[in-house]
Amino acid sequence: DAKTTQPNSMESNEEEPVHLPCNHSTISGTDYIHWYRQLPSQGPEYVIHGLTSNVNNRMASLAIAEDRKSSTLILHRATLRDAAVYYCILHVMGNNNDMRFGAGTRLTVKP
Amino acid sequence: GAVVSQHPSWVICKSGTSVKIECRSLDFQATTMFWYRQFPKQSLMLMATSNEGSKATYEQGVEKDKFLINHASLTLSTLTVTSAHPEDSSFYICSATGSDRVSYEQYFGPGTRLTVT
Repeated sequence: DAKTTQPNSMESNEEEPVHLPCNHSTISGTDYIHWYRQLPSQGPEYVIHGLTSNVNNRMASLAIAEDRKSSTLILHRATLRDAAVYYCILHVMGNNNDMRFGAGTRLTVKP
Repeated sequence: GAVVSQHPSWVICKSGTSVKIECRSLDFQATTMFWYRQFPKQSLMLMATSNEGSKATYEQGVEKDKFLINHASLTLSTLTVTSAHPEDSSFYICSATGSDRVSYEQYFGPGTRLTVT
């Protein structure tokens, strides 16, 4: 499986935007870029995903580099409830659909 | 919609005993379920994949005789940790995908914290 590289941790101030980077230089043409987040003592939850074009939803935006070797998850206004570990995962859509988690980025939001 | 529950949310058991963890899809049919294990301050590690009515496929290094997985219905999968030992203490998380749900999203349960004394 193609791997992703994320910073171990990041800090943000409340109500400010947060840009969470992810490098995936070995991404293949069929890999989708998924982002999940895990709040403390909970299971992960889906945030957003994309293939080539930038994506927006109610939770976040995903900016994908033109060569697809990196992407950035953007939280437009961080809240204290956004403090979590954010995982960037490359995933080929298929029958199996298993997700392989890397180390992720632990986001701390300061009031 | 797309809710996955786990039971129990936490359990403490004595070394040598077996523990069963249930994973249920509440509002969709889970054709495939996944079991993960997560140690403190670490990421999720995929243990096995199970399709309804089939034997589970275990990841390399995961003992299938120790971690028994049953996916007998489209809404229920169970993980039984047999002869548990303190090193099996961990956070166990299940997830599910279904043919009637969006194909890109995996729905995770809230996790079960197992402590073996």
